[in-house]
Amino acid sequence: DTGVSQDPRHKITKRGQNVTFRCDPISEHNRLYWYRQTLGQGPEFLTYFQNEAQLEKSRLLSDRFSAERPKGSFSTLEIQRTEQGDSAMYLCASSSGEYYGYTFGSGTRLTVV
Amino acid sequence: RKEVEQDPGPFNVPEGATVAFNCTYSNSASQSFFWYRQDCRKEPKLLMSVYSSGNEDGRFTAQLNRASQYISLLIRDSKLSDSATYLCVQVAYNTDKLIFGTGTRLQVFP
Repeated sequence: DTGVSQDPRHKITKRGQNVTFRCDPISEHNRLYWYRQTLGQGPEFLTYFQNEAQLEKSRLLSDRFSAERPKGSFSTLEIQRTEQGDSAMYLCASSSGEYYGYTFGSGTRLTVV
Repeated sequence: RKEVEQDPGPFNVPEGATVAFNCTYSNSASQSFFWYRQDCRKEPKLLMSVYSSGNEDGRFTAQLNRASQYISLLIRDSKLSDSATYLCVQVAYNTDKLIFGTGTRLQVFP
């Protein structure tokens, strides 16, 4: 598989629960990005990694959100104490550099009930 | 003001029509721009890069106007399969993050 893989595809959780999503980037890509998209909006930047280093985090990312990329390979995004406003599609993308475009995974659709 | 602004549409056009979308951006220092296509409930997919000299790929032409800070996408001879949302994207200056517009929805009808 040469694409970006995200797991799970769908997640329904009760408010207050913690959830964790995984992203496996294209193997030769050293940059990995997390975005969030709600209906009728474009994807919003959350955070990005170059190798294992987290280089930037959006102000949108509250303390309840944390992302890791151990060993510079796959990444996880955890949301603690989920709220209904966290319901969205969480997209992961990887890239080998800004001039080459970014490849997105199919996303994880989170519904908080 | 949003960093990247697009007309959300929808643009409803018949097959065979030519349609153009514009997008404006606020950060004049940005060097790289893209158009992405997103089908309903799917992930965005890279359509094409945008260069000052213009970029053509089959029926699609993208153009960057730095002086006016806008990007355009022209689709000729529209097909039903072109129906999708087209996202204008700016690479933020001095970082690698992508900044997306809200997208322009295109609906091509028979």
